[in-house]
Amino acid sequence: QSALTQPRSVSGSPGQSVTISCTGTSSDIGGYNYVSWYQQHPGKAPKFMIYDVTKRPSGVPDRFSGSKSGNTASLTISGLQAEDEADYYCCSYAGSSIYVVFGGGTKLTVL
Amino acid sequence: QVTLRESGPALVKPTQTLTLTCTFSGFSLSTSGMCVTWIRQPPGKALEWLARIDWDDDKYYSTSLKTRLTISKDTSKNQVALTMTNMDPVDTATYYCARMLYNSRAFDIWGQGTMVTVSS
Repeated sequence: QSALTQPRSVSGSPGQSVTISCTGTSSDIGGYNYVSWYQQHPGKAPKFMIYDVTKRPSGVPDRFSGSKSGNTASLTISGLQAEDEADYYCCSYAGSSIYVVFGGGTKLTVL
Repeated sequence: QVTLRESGPALVKPTQTLTLTCTFSGFSLSTSGMCVTWIRQPPGKALEWLARIDWDDDKYYSTSLKTRLTISKDTSKNQVALTMTNMDPVDTATYYCARMLYNSRAFDIWGQGTMVTVSS
């Protein structure tokens, strides 16, 4: 059982928007602004998509955005495209004893 | 261009010790703020953080696995090694090394991963 809770799956049609939630506690998501998100296509290594809750690395389309409210972080993908179909993982810093926690992953299906 | 590549045995027997090596280029682990981490993913399952080593040789381990893990670095060779003792079939996974930027605690560049199967 992962420390952060994500929905197992979400889906949307091309052009639509979807939001993936990631729920933790005040010891991880709620306590730090160190939430990151990763995209993983089948058989591939994860790809860095969002860091510091809301920031996008160079090269990541602005269709991807991150936010946080309390102990829950969210990844929103707008203007869905077929290539967005993948697994998405959230991650948070969790302090000086646990350090890092991941979510269980969410499978995004583009209908 | 920053790259990382994992290497190690594809198959280990139960109770054996696994040693994986991460060879990287495009950055130096002696530069302030640079860190290298190990993360694993059992088939069909989620990512699990294992260990981290920082530019100043500080080391951090997963609470649940810390008694079995050792991480080390060879700055001159641009390599980070991870040893895991007493391997068990539940340790079967793809093992990734990734660069972590200390200021963001995020893993910005990942290796391709190496699949390790634990079986007799």
